Amino acid sequence: DTAVSQTPKYLVTQMGNDKSIKCEQNLGHDTMYWYKQDSKKFLKIMFSYNNKELIINETVPNRFSPKSPDKAHLNLHINSLELGDSAVYFCASSRSTGNTIYFGEGSWLTVV
Amino acid sequence: DQQVKQNSPSLSVQEGRISILNCDYTNSMFDYFLWYKKYPAEGPTFLISISSIKDKNEDGRFTVFLNKSAKHLSLHIVPSQPGDSAVYFCAAMPLTGGGNKLTFGTGTQLKVEL
Repeated sequence: DTAVSQTPKYLVTQMGNDKSIKCEQNLGHDTMYWYKQDSKKFLKIMFSYNNKELIINETVPNRFSPKSPDKAHLNLHINSLELGDSAVYFCASSRSTGNTIYFGEGSWLTVV
Repeated sequence: DQQVKQNSPSLSVQEGRISILNCDYTNSMFDYFLWYKKYPAEGPTFLISISSIKDKNEDGRFTVFLNKSAKHLSLHIVPSQPGDSAVYFCAAMPLTGGGNKLTFGTGTQLKVEL
């Protein structure tokens, strides 16, 4: 039973398209995150939501819009995809009172 | 500006011996540190953590040491097993005011050989 699950795992799409990556956690956590791992393998935070409220937004282009319909879900929508958006996107979650962050398996996005 | 650094991109160790992975940080606001292990095509898996009030934390074969004055931490794995072969990420965050914002190092690829 996967604790943090994200779909799709692999996505190949053309430049200019709009795509979404979905994330769900069944750990009962109230904080969720999106991290990006680029071609140089740097893992960097993009967004953090606590109880559906945005608390971290790390200078990510406006084309990236997270949506949290409830505490267990944090989806990432990307408009007008660019070649440089190709990366692995990891969803994660934690308790707001806890310090351990649990990651999903990643979504490999390739923009062609 | 890389605030968490893992200067060894790779490490090769024989099975049964000790693996020592190193990590340095520059931000003095960091007071909680975690190690994650990552297999190819999978997400990072939490291994062990340490807060800045301690200098050592042990969990089975894994021990993390923290030297606050040197802004250095290390992960010791003993004895090393072939299943430990993976990329190990060091991560750090401030416990207050940071919103659980983890800053990661670039990872060290550990290979445990038979």
